[in-house]
Amino acid sequence: DVKVTQSSRYLVKRTGEKVFLECVQDMDHENMFWYRQDPGLGLRLIYFSYDVKMKEKGDIPEGYSVSREKKERFSLILESASTNQTSMYLCASSVDSFGEQYFGPGTRLTVT
Amino acid sequence: ILNVEQSPQSLHVQEGDSTNFTCSFPSSNFYALHWYRWETAKSPEALFVMTLNGDEKKKGRISATLNTKEGYSYLYIKGSQPEDSATYLCAFPGGYQKVTFGTGTKLQVIP
Repeated sequence: DVKVTQSSRYLVKRTGEKVFLECVQDMDHENMFWYRQDPGLGLRLIYFSYDVKMKEKGDIPEGYSVSREKKERFSLILESASTNQTSMYLCASSVDSFGEQYFGPGTRLTVT
Repeated sequence: ILNVEQSPQSLHVQEGDSTNFTCSFPSSNFYALHWYRWETAKSPEALFVMTLNGDEKKKGRISATLNTKEGYSYLYIKGSQPEDSATYLCAFPGGYQKVTFGTGTKLQVIP
């Protein structure tokens, strides 16, 4: 059974803190993605990676960075969390650019 | 940013009614079109991956059609049931490894 896991379901952080969100997939997928989901805005792509150590900006990369040191792991980093980064964060992976995506359970991040 | 639009934004139907909604996407540089179902408190799950113009796919009471020339796809649900209540997303892989999602259609099936 395919699986994408995320390190936390719920997270509360203070403004200015550095935040790490971890995502692991066990399907040997090349592509991995980070999205945020906000009411009325759907899923918006933050960053994606199509290979180890490769990363590309999505539609809303400002305030975020990513790391992909191993194929199975893709980390999203908030260098200095701000209240406007309070959101649901979803990680996904796919076998290639055009294949269906498999999603993790999401991390609901609250920045106070 | 590619323009992927879904309509309507939300929909309430009675149990047993059939319904449909639309996803529109750029008709140039087409590679594939995905449909996902996203139930509350769960992760999005793929329903269909559509690649060919005229494609029609079916899973139980749910089916989808694709028109790549005019840039739209329809999702149909026949005889809606309360367990069909979810947000239905379409996604457009637009090349350069990137995927753009529509904002979704939220379906509520009233028993």
